[in-house]
Amino acid sequence: DAKTTQPPSMDCAEGRAANLPCNHSTISGNEYVYWYRQIHSQGPQYIIHGLKNNETNEMASLIITEDRKSSTLILPHATLRDTAVYYCIAYGGATNKLIFGTGTLLAVQP
Amino acid sequence: GAVVSQHPSRVICKSGTSVKIECRSLDFQATTMFWYRQFPKQSLMLMATSNEGSKATYEQGVEKDKFLINHASLTLSTLTVTSAHPEDSSFYICSARAFGGGANTEAFFGQGTRLTVV
Repeated sequence: DAKTTQPPSMDCAEGRAANLPCNHSTISGNEYVYWYRQIHSQGPQYIIHGLKNNETNEMASLIITEDRKSSTLILPHATLRDTAVYYCIAYGGATNKLIFGTGTLLAVQP
Repeated sequence: GAVVSQHPSRVICKSGTSVKIECRSLDFQATTMFWYRQFPKQSLMLMATSNEGSKATYEQGVEKDKFLINHASLTLSTLTVTSAHPEDSSFYICSARAFGGGANTEAFFGQGTRLTVV
């Protein structure tokens, strides 16, 4: 499965949009981009996933570049409860494993 | 989203004893379940992949005789930490993907089990 690269940490003001980038330059054609988040001492929570097209649900939007080498998770109106570690994962290769990288610690500031 | 229940959420055991952790998919059938371990301030590390009715596949460096995984049904997988030692103290998390779910089907996670070996 393709390796992903994320900034280790980001800050965001409460009420503003949080844009979390992810690089996955070696992603293969059949791998999806998945986003999960983990709030301290809890299991990861599914956010959104996509293959080629941009996706939106009640939690977030996922923007995937045309060449699929990078993506951005957008939380439109961040709240304090969105403070968490966000993981971007490229999944769907032959190994069928969901492998977590180091993620981005998003701190939403009041 | 679908619900994955993990039990217990927290357990303290004495060194040398065994501990069993259960992972249940409550509203869907899971062909595949994953077991992770997470140490403080670190990411999740995949330990093994559990397939219903067959032997689990362990990641390199994970002792299969120490971490026994059983996936007896489409809704239940168990992880038994045998002869636990203080270094096994960690946060253990399970994940399940729906039956027939390929890469376009999200996996859901349990709430985790905090194991402390004293």
